[in-house]
Amino acid sequence: GIQVEQSPPDLILQEGANSTLRCNFSDSVNNLQWFHQNPWGQLINLFYIPSGTKQNGRLSATTVATERYSLLYISSSQTTDSGVYFCAVTTRPNAGKSTFGDGTTLTVKP
Amino acid sequence: DTEVTQTPKHLVMGMTNKKSLKCEQHMGHRAMYWYKQKAKKPPELMFVYSYEKLSINESVPSRFSPECPNSSLLNLHLHALQPEDSALYLCASSQTQTGVPYEQYFGPGTRLTVT
Repeated sequence: GIQVEQSPPDLILQEGANSTLRCNFSDSVNNLQWFHQNPWGQLINLFYIPSGTKQNGRLSATTVATERYSLLYISSSQTTDSGVYFCAVTTRPNAGKSTFGDGTTLTVKP
Repeated sequence: DTEVTQTPKHLVMGMTNKKSLKCEQHMGHRAMYWYKQKAKKPPELMFVYSYEKLSINESVPSRFSPECPNSSLLNLHLHALQPEDSALYLCASSQTQTGVPYEQYFGPGTRLTVT
């Protein structure tokens, strides 16, 4: 099956800093999502981005499908950005099955 | 409205109990999912329902029994669970067209403890 690798596994920032999270995948995908899991376990949708670039406030994401990676940018980080960031992909032959990366744990210190 | 609701929020059950987890969405989505998440791990897919029919079972033990009574509801019936089944159980839903899923929306999860 498809392999999804996220980096870095852990990231510690001071409030106000910028960061880039990466998601590499081993096969062509037809769906890619970025999620933020808060300390209570809720998975919050950040981006649905199988290709191209999107922005939402301080967050933006870029997926280069031909090179099999996606990037999540967080600017001017806040303590509320802390949590685990997951990317999840699906491939056309297994359209209903999402495969998650292991996540990046972000800690933003005041 | 992009809300998926799950009940209960927390559940403690013994190994001989029978219990059910419930999930509901009113977004008109026709695909619904159950995931299991252990601590410090990513969610793992268990089941997928598409148009109220089971389309994917990821070799889940029979002590977990899914049910989709209608397009808005998804249940997970639990029986004779083991302590290692303790986890966060997440429900999700999405639009789907010709089997291709679109953006998934997750519920808040049920934290299950098996004693």
